[in-house]
Amino acid sequence: ELKVEQNPLFLSMQEGKNYTIYCNYSTTSDRLYWYRQDPGKSLESLFVLLSNGAVKQEGRLMASLDTKARLSTLHITAAVHDLSATYFCAVDWVQGAQKLVFGQGTRLTINP
Amino acid sequence: NAGVTQTPKFQVLKTGQSMTLQCAQDMNHEYMSWYRQDPGMGLRLIHYSVGAGITDQGEVPNGYNVSRSTTEDFPLRLLSAAPSQTSVYFCASSPAGLGTQYFGPGTRLLVL
Repeated sequence: ELKVEQNPLFLSMQEGKNYTIYCNYSTTSDRLYWYRQDPGKSLESLFVLLSNGAVKQEGRLMASLDTKARLSTLHITAAVHDLSATYFCAVDWVQGAQKLVFGQGTRLTINP
Repeated sequence: NAGVTQTPKFQVLKTGQSMTLQCAQDMNHEYMSWYRQDPGMGLRLIHYSVGAGITDQGEVPNGYNVSRSTTEDFPLRLLSAAPSQTSVYFCASSPAGLGTQYFGPGTRLLVL
């Protein structure tokens, strides 16, 4: 059974600070996805990581994947209030079938 | 393109009633999925489809049926609603292969 665990589950930080969200998964997979969800809204795709060592960056967010460690990170640089949201990682349950298992989500609050 | 659309946006049911949640996409995506989102548990896959006429179970399929007669539509049927099915339901679609999933706006379901 594939399990996906994120930590921390809640994160409150100040603008301008850096922080990292961790996503661990229990079985082999080389496809990992990061999504953002604003309160009461749907999910928005942030990154798709498709191989070991993959790194992608968009603005103040950078995601990486280490398939050997079964670990992905989402790094936030110089946080701004607009990045406040819940962030989910997800892993393919059956490789290539887009059967995703999601982490519990990390609720990020960025204070001025 | 409208993307992924879901109806209704909100529904209240009584225990034992049945209903169908509608999902449609206009991106010609092969893959479609249904998830439910409960507080603190992230999203869980209910059923998914890799093309018209092909469906399969996800993590939590009990109490739900699906069919896929066309590429565009993927309805989710609740056979006999139970309070445990109170949740937010998201439909998603993706192209076959390595693409990310695009999520609909969600349906909030309350079962009394």
